[in-house]
Amino acid sequence: DAKTTQPPSMDCAEGRAANLPCNHSTISGNEYVYWYRQIHSQGPQYIIHGLKNNETNEMASLIITEDRKSSTLILPHATLRDTAVYYCIVRAQNTGTASKLTFGTGTRLQVTL
Amino acid sequence: NAGVMQNPRHLVRRRGQEARLRCSPMKGHSHVYWYRQLPEEGLKFMVYLQKENIIDESGMPKERFSAEFPKEGPSILRIQQVVRGDSAAYFCARFDGTGIHTGELFFGEGSRLTVL
Repeated sequence: DAKTTQPPSMDCAEGRAANLPCNHSTISGNEYVYWYRQIHSQGPQYIIHGLKNNETNEMASLIITEDRKSSTLILPHATLRDTAVYYCIVRAQNTGTASKLTFGTGTRLQVTL
Repeated sequence: NAGVMQNPRHLVRRRGQEARLRCSPMKGHSHVYWYRQLPEEGLKFMVYLQKENIIDESGMPKERFSAEFPKEGPSILRIQQVVRGDSAAYFCARFDGTGIHTGELFFGEGSRLTVL
């Protein structure tokens, strides 16, 4: 699986949009971009994933550049409850063994009043 | 709980004892992954199981650790003769590759093992 690079930490004011970048310059054509987050002491939570088109769900939006070498997770109106470590993971769509996710160090997002 | 029940949530053991952690994915899901998170560290893959089969145990320590997922009942991660270094959060995840899903993992709340 392609490696990803994320800033170690970011701050965001409550109510503002949080934009979390991720670089994955070695991504392959069949690899998806997944985002997870881990709120303190809880299990990782799936947020969103995409291949090449921008995606949006009730939690966030995912913007993938045209060359697919980077992406941005957008939390449109961050709240204090969004304070967490956010993981960007690149992995081929697959079943079985290849489904395991490799977590890096992520970005620690701190949402402040 | 993302369709994954783990118990116990907290477990305290003394050195040399055995720890058994259980994971029950929602009905119809027969693939589970176990991850370990040491204090102040990231999640590390341990093992992937389907019902009655170990598919990938490349992340399992060679000794004292074992995992199973029997035909009936939960998946169990077993740690024999625990040492202080085994103190960690152990997370189980179910795999969902059906319908709109492309293979996301949904994690339980974890079991926190403390070895005294």
